[in-house]
Amino acid sequence: DVKVTQSSRYLVKRTGEKVFLECVQDMDHENMFWYRQDPGLGLRLIYFSYDVKMKEKGDIPEGYSVSREKKERFSLILESASTNQTSMYLCASSPLLSGQYNEQFFGPGTRLTVL
Amino acid sequence: SQQGEEDPQALSIQEGENATMNCSYKTSINNLQWYRQNSGRGLVHLILIRSNEREKHSGRLRVTLDTSKKSSSLLITASRAADTASYFCATDASGGGADGLTFGKGTHLIIQP
Repeated sequence: DVKVTQSSRYLVKRTGEKVFLECVQDMDHENMFWYRQDPGLGLRLIYFSYDVKMKEKGDIPEGYSVSREKKERFSLILESASTNQTSMYLCASSPLLSGQYNEQFFGPGTRLTVL
Repeated sequence: SQQGEEDPQALSIQEGENATMNCSYKTSINNLQWYRQNSGRGLVHLILIRSNEREKHSGRLRVTLDTSKKSSSLLITASRAADTASYFCATDASGGGADGLTFGKGTHLIIQP
């Protein structure tokens, strides 16, 4: 079974702190994604990566950066956390087959609270 | 980005009944997918239907796709309490310019015992 793990289930940080959220997948998938999920807004794509050291902005990249130094690991960085970044963060991975975006495998999520 | 929109936003039915939820989208697609999310957890993939398919089945799930109307429906037959969850549709837009899947806001399904 594909497994996607996230470093923390719950995280509480203070405004201005630098926050690292880590995601690891064990199925050698090319694509990895970071989303945030807020009530009434659904899932919104922050960043994604289709290969090591490659990254692309999603719909809401402001205030975030990412790092993908190894194929299995994709990190989301909040350079200076703000209260409006309080959210559920979901990581996902998927293989790229036939040029289409196929089934994504999600981690359990990290619920981040910024005080 | 152009999201899919699920309808209804919330649905409450009795155990054993069928549950139907709908998804509309705006762009041409390669495929459309349905996911389930139990409270406070990650999403789980349920089924994928490609643009050249009209109907697909998986166990108690039936998905239809109407590309002319840009809509899809998910039917869960003989519902169970364990089906209580939020259900999301996601589209892979064709024609380039869109990256990854675009998710709707979800339908919250409650199965009453």
